Amino acid sequence: NAGVMQNPRHLVRRRGQEARLRCSPMKGHSHVYWYRQLPEEGLKFMVYLQKENIIDESGMPKERFSAEFPKEGPSILRIQQVVRGDSAAYFCASSPRALGITEAFFGQGTRLTVV
Amino acid sequence: AQKITQTQPGMFVQEKEAVTLDCTYDTSDQSYGLFWYKQPSSGEMIFLIYQGSYDEQNATEGRYSLNFQKARKSANLVISASQLGDSAMYFCAMRESPNAGNMLTFGGGTRLMVKP
Repeated sequence: NAGVMQNPRHLVRRRGQEARLRCSPMKGHSHVYWYRQLPEEGLKFMVYLQKENIIDESGMPKERFSAEFPKEGPSILRIQQVVRGDSAAYFCASSPRALGITEAFFGQGTRLTVV
Repeated sequence: AQKITQTQPGMFVQEKEAVTLDCTYDTSDQSYGLFWYKQPSSGEMIFLIYQGSYDEQNATEGRYSLNFQKARKSANLVISASQLGDSAMYFCAMRESPNAGNMLTFGGGTRLMVKP
C-alpha cells in the first residue's frame, strides 16, 4: 500500500515561471491537505481539498497560488510567476475521512527553489 | 497567540539516555488531537505518535511516549534510550475541533542532536 506520493522531489524554477506540484493521496483517501515549510520553520497549512472541491483555502496566498483535486488524477498545487520567497518545501497529506483523524501521513515533499 | 509552542530550539542528549521535548498548546476546543513528527535531514515528515484530548492514558509507541498534561496544556515527547538515528528536527502539531477538519497547526520545532 503506497503512501502519499509527491512529485517532483526537487523543482528549480526561474523567477516568473510557473511551478506545478503533484500529490497522489494514499489509496482510498479522498481528502488532501497542502502545507508549506519555509527554511528553519514548521509547516503551515495552505489548503484542504476533497475530490473536485476546495474545502478550506484559508492558508493560501491570495495571488499566484491555486490548487485542484480533480475527479481523476493527483492533486495539483500551482504557483504562477514564482518569486524567490516561494522557495520552500511543499508537503501534502491525505486522509480517508473529513474529521477526527488520529494519524496523518505526509508525502516526502517537493523542494522548490526559485533562482 | 501561538497555538503550538516549542521552547527548545535545540537540544543535546547522550546516546542511550532519555530526552524530553517540550510542547505547549493553546486551544479553546474540548476535542482535539496532538501529533509529533520527526524530520531527519533528508526532509521527510515521519509520524511518531498521537494523543487525543479525551484519551486517559498517555500514548506510547515503542521508544516514544507522550507526557500529556491536559490542565497545563502540554504534550511533551519523551524518547527513551536515544539512538544516533534520533538526531533530527521534531515537530509538535495540533488538530483542533473535529468539526474544523483535519488541518494541523505546527510548532516551530526542536532540533535534537544525539551525542555518541
